[in-house]
Amino acid sequence: QKEVEQNSGPLSVPEGAIASLNCTYSDRGSQSFFWYRQYSGKSPELIMSIYSNGDKEDGRFTAQLNKASQYVSLLIRDSQPSDSATYLCAVIRVGDDKIIFGKGTRLHILP
Amino acid sequence: DTEVTQTPKHLVMGMTNKKSLKCEQHMGHRAMYWYKQKAKKPPELMFVYSYEKLSINESVPSRFSPECPNSSLLNLHLHALQPEDSALYLCASSQDPGYPETQYFGPGTRLLVL
Repeated sequence: QKEVEQNSGPLSVPEGAIASLNCTYSDRGSQSFFWYRQYSGKSPELIMSIYSNGDKEDGRFTAQLNKASQYVSLLIRDSQPSDSATYLCAVIRVGDDKIIFGKGTRLHILP
Repeated sequence: DTEVTQTPKHLVMGMTNKKSLKCEQHMGHRAMYWYKQKAKKPPELMFVYSYEKLSINESVPSRFSPECPNSSLLNLHLHALQPEDSALYLCASSQDPGYPETQYFGPGTRLLVL
């Protein structure tokens, strides 16, 4: 079983709609969870971090964490064409120097 | 300031060349990382430095040689690379190694090996 799993997409969402990106992880010792956005040819950019169960909102972005079910999601409200990118889910285990990345979900916002 | 800088932005080298990639951060972070990323793949961890000491080497071939001269700088020395080593090389840093912590990425060096 892969450590961090994401649907590779592409996920196509109309402009103005809500984009929902999902991620599951296998290690129950995981403690920190991140969403990175990566435009083609650019480096990953941190957009959300979440450490405890529940929702965390930042502008148009909401991260949701459910440790019992071992999933983390990212909602993007009022999707814009500039949100078209690959979204990487990432996880850190307690006491670990390593961040484990999922393979990423390609999101395409349709104008 | 959450900036990690990398030079050069682009590098073309032959298989017999020796070159170095440089990374710098002035956030006081004590963990620094090198990643390799191929197209349409996630970043792949190569090395981790914690408090200027190499703590993780993910079985990277010896033609890649990391160096951490001080807490702000990280180098990756390249020698006798292969065409399959062509990729985006990313540097990242985080505040404290071993704790759940955010990693910030530099813009990357796009390397082409001919």
